Amino acid sequence: LAKTTQPISMDSYEGQEVNITCSHNNIATNDYITWYQQFPSQGPRFIIQGYKTKVTNEVASLFIPADRKSSTLSLPRVSLSDTAVYYCLVGDDTDMRFGAGTRLTVKP
Amino acid sequence: NAGVTQTPKFRILKIGQSMTLQCTQDMNHNYMYWYRQDPGMGLKLIYYSVGAGITDKGEVPNGYNVSRSTTEDFPLRLELAAPSQTSVYFCASSYSSGGFGETQYFGPGTRLLVL
Repeated sequence: LAKTTQPISMDSYEGQEVNITCSHNNIATNDYITWYQQFPSQGPRFIIQGYKTKVTNEVASLFIPADRKSSTLSLPRVSLSDTAVYYCLVGDDTDMRFGAGTRLTVKP
Repeated sequence: NAGVTQTPKFRILKIGQSMTLQCTQDMNHNYMYWYRQDPGMGLKLIYYSVGAGITDKGEVPNGYNVSRSTTEDFPLRLELAAPSQTSVYFCASSYSSGGFGETQYFGPGTRLLVL
């Protein structure tokens, strides 16, 4: 199972773009890359998922290089409400491992 | 849709007691999961189920049991509660057609304290 490595914490200011990078050197051919967001006292919430290249939805973009050994979650113009823990997961339906995540703090 | 619901929200158990954490989803998802989250840590998979009557162990199954008699319900049983089982428990579900990494939808969690 591919292990993921993310920064423990990041700080940003309102209106800035935030990029969180996740390393997954041992990613398998069948593995997807999925990012979740978790607020205190809540369950994680799906943000975005990708396999390769770039994926964009209404809240974020996910950049995956050709070798797929890393991925970058990009949050455009963050607000205070984006303060949360962000988890990068690599795996399939029955073997997804949550790491410690990245605690993002957005300041006014 | 209510999504994934969990009961109770909070429970205090004495060491050695048993209890069942309830989880129900109304999205007709075939996959269901139980995770635990210790303070400041990520989630760890306890058990999962790919359909009614089929369950399998995750990363940390010891001290827990599950059953899946219907598509909607996936209860988690704690036998002989121990302080190490103090945690927040999350149930999740997803729909899989054989693909990979399907989106999981999480419940609000059950906070369990074992004293």
